[in-house]
Amino acid sequence: EAQVTQNPRYLITVTGKKLTVTCSQNMNHEYMSWYRQDPGLGLRQIYYSMNVEVTDKGDVPEGYKVSRKEKRNFPLILESPSPNQTSLYFCASSFQGQFGGELFFGEGSRLTVL
Amino acid sequence: SQQGEEDPQALSIQEGENATMNCSYKTSINNLQWYRQNSGRGLVHLILIRSNEREKHSGRLRVTLDTSKKSSSLLITASRAADTASYFCATPDSGNTPLVFGKGTRLSVIA
Repeated sequence: EAQVTQNPRYLITVTGKKLTVTCSQNMNHEYMSWYRQDPGLGLRQIYYSMNVEVTDKGDVPEGYKVSRKEKRNFPLILESPSPNQTSLYFCASSFQGQFGGELFFGEGSRLTVL
Repeated sequence: SQQGEEDPQALSIQEGENATMNCSYKTSINNLQWYRQNSGRGLVHLILIRSNEREKHSGRLRVTLDTSKKSSSLLITASRAADTASYFCATPDSGNTPLVFGKGTRLSVIA
């Protein structure tokens, strides 16, 4: 089954404790992206990757890191989480990126930073 | 970055009625996409309309695009309670950038 898998789905952590949210897709997509969704602000892009070893900042990259060492994986790293990073996070992938392909989304990771 | 803006922010209708949501954007686009999100779940792609298309259908969905007005509409006909969700339009920020999402329209279909 074609899917984007995120883990963990739910996480409560404390300020400053490094964490990684994993994202994996099984569709051989070149393009992968991370979004955060907050009430009243909609979906905002954090980072995206057009292919292996190619990553770019989105609209809200501060406080986040990503890597794309393999085509299927695109982890989101919070080196020192802060309460303002409490949010619902989505990973998405696409075969053709923004031009023609539809984005496939994971089920989301709800992160709470205390 | 540009952002599609959906209107209305919220819409409540009776089952069987049609629901219309609108999206406006600011700059020229290659395509416009509509997505659906059930509460707290991942977004699901509904339909993509290219800049040279004016109308597209998929089941009970009808999407129109007016590039002169920089606007699109999503019509859901004969709505069902299961259509209750948030609907987002998404456009590329410019010719070579990722999709940017609007804040969505929350649709409630009352049985």
